[in-house]
Amino acid sequence: GQNIDQPTEMTATEGAIVQINCTYQTSGFNGLFWYQQHAGEAPTFLSYNVLDGLEEKGRFSSFLSRSKGYSYLLLKELQMKDSASYLCAVRGAGGYNKLIFGAGTRLAVHP
Amino acid sequence: GAGVSQSPSNKVTEKGKDVELRCDPISGHTALYWYRQSLGQGLEFLIYFQGNSAPDKSGLPSDRFSAERTGGSVSTLTIQRTQQEDSAVYLCASSRGTGGESGSAFFGPGTRLTVL
Repeated sequence: GQNIDQPTEMTATEGAIVQINCTYQTSGFNGLFWYQQHAGEAPTFLSYNVLDGLEEKGRFSSFLSRSKGYSYLLLKELQMKDSASYLCAVRGAGGYNKLIFGAGTRLAVHP
Repeated sequence: GAGVSQSPSNKVTEKGKDVELRCDPISGHTALYWYRQSLGQGLEFLIYFQGNSAPDKSGLPSDRFSAERTGGSVSTLTIQRTQQEDSAVYLCASSRGTGGESGSAFFGPGTRLTVL
């Protein structure tokens, strides 16, 4: 099966850096995804990792360690509009290749 | 259309009634997912269609829930004899494939179901 853990809530200050962690257990591994979801809206795709290391996209970066079953999303130069839930999702392999989401981390950015 | 569409956007029904929720995925996307999300909660996986393979129904919470995908495109999620605990936002997503970044899912706006 698949299991994904993330912190429930985090707070941070505008302009700062925040790291949101995700640990997972999966039957096979075929990629890890991060999504952003603003209140009352559908999730939108942020990043994808399948190999170990850091993927950078502007203010957002995502890191993966497959051996540790661990990922993080790094948000730099935080803006008020970054207040949202951040969802970690994992795709397994073979018969487990559906996309499973963690419960999400609710990030509040304050001035 | 350009994105995933779902209808209706809102549905209010009485306990015991049947409801049908519709999803139109992005054209050419082979994978289609249904999730549900209760207020303040994460996404609960319901069912997954991939091409012509048998769907993965492992997330359906009871036999009152069923889904079809006709012609590899439009999907309908049916909930029979609705209960109050079925109240949630039902999200549909599609992806171009399942390998690599093509497996990233694009979500529709959701259907908010309220069972009175």
